[in-house]
Amino acid sequence: DTVMTQTPLSLSVTPGQPASISCKSNQRLLYSDGKTYLYWYVQKPGQSPQLLMYEVSRRFSGVPDRFSGSGSGTDFTLEISRVETDDVGVYYCMQGLYLPPTFGQGTKVEIK
Amino acid sequence: DVQLVESGGGLEQPGGSLRLSCAASGFTFSSYGMSWVRQAPGKGLEWVSAISGSGDATYYADSVKGRFTISRDNFRNTLNLLINSLRGEDTAVYFCAKAFRDGYWRFDYWGQGALVTVSS
Repeated sequence: DTVMTQTPLSLSVTPGQPASISCKSNQRLLYSDGKTYLYWYVQKPGQSPQLLMYEVSRRFSGVPDRFSGSGSGTDFTLEISRVETDDVGVYYCMQGLYLPPTFGQGTKVEIK
Repeated sequence: DVQLVESGGGLEQPGGSLRLSCAASGFTFSSYGMSWVRQAPGKGLEWVSAISGSGDATYYADSVKGRFTISRDNFRNTLNLLINSLRGEDTAVYFCAKAFRDGYWRFDYWGQGALVTVSS
């Protein structure tokens, strides 16, 4: 199975400050169709996961532009330009190229 | 709006069976693949099974192959998961997830989850 490794596993951020989460895959996620099948989800406390970014850098409907995704090949990053209190939760990256789809361990974001 | 509502969770004994359902609305159900993803208490996310829009193709994680059966009813807009030979390690919240049009295991919407507890 494809291994997804996230760092850090926890992050404490002052509101208004930026935050960054790294996700590394042990296999390249670029497919022959030119797309890279890397996704970011956030699971807020007591809720189900919700999609933030798809295909590395495409923001899902309703996601604020404070969130951005970047990377290629095996290394990816989710950035929050200015963290808000509502951003508290666990952030997961997921690869959707290989079966089974696999998730990173999750990065818990807390507010200072 | 897309809505996915799971039902059928509960407490079951090891070796027993359970059937989960997911009622879908807000999109053309038969046009999209669907998956089940589970989350053990305090743990991360684990994909379990996927099914094509027509229901002709099904896929399973190795950890559940032979015990879990995914199916769908495109007339009733319902996704199902039959779990047999329950084990303690099947204890988890089970989410149904709608896939993007281009892949059965790339998820855009998730349900709220159904808790399955396996214990004697």
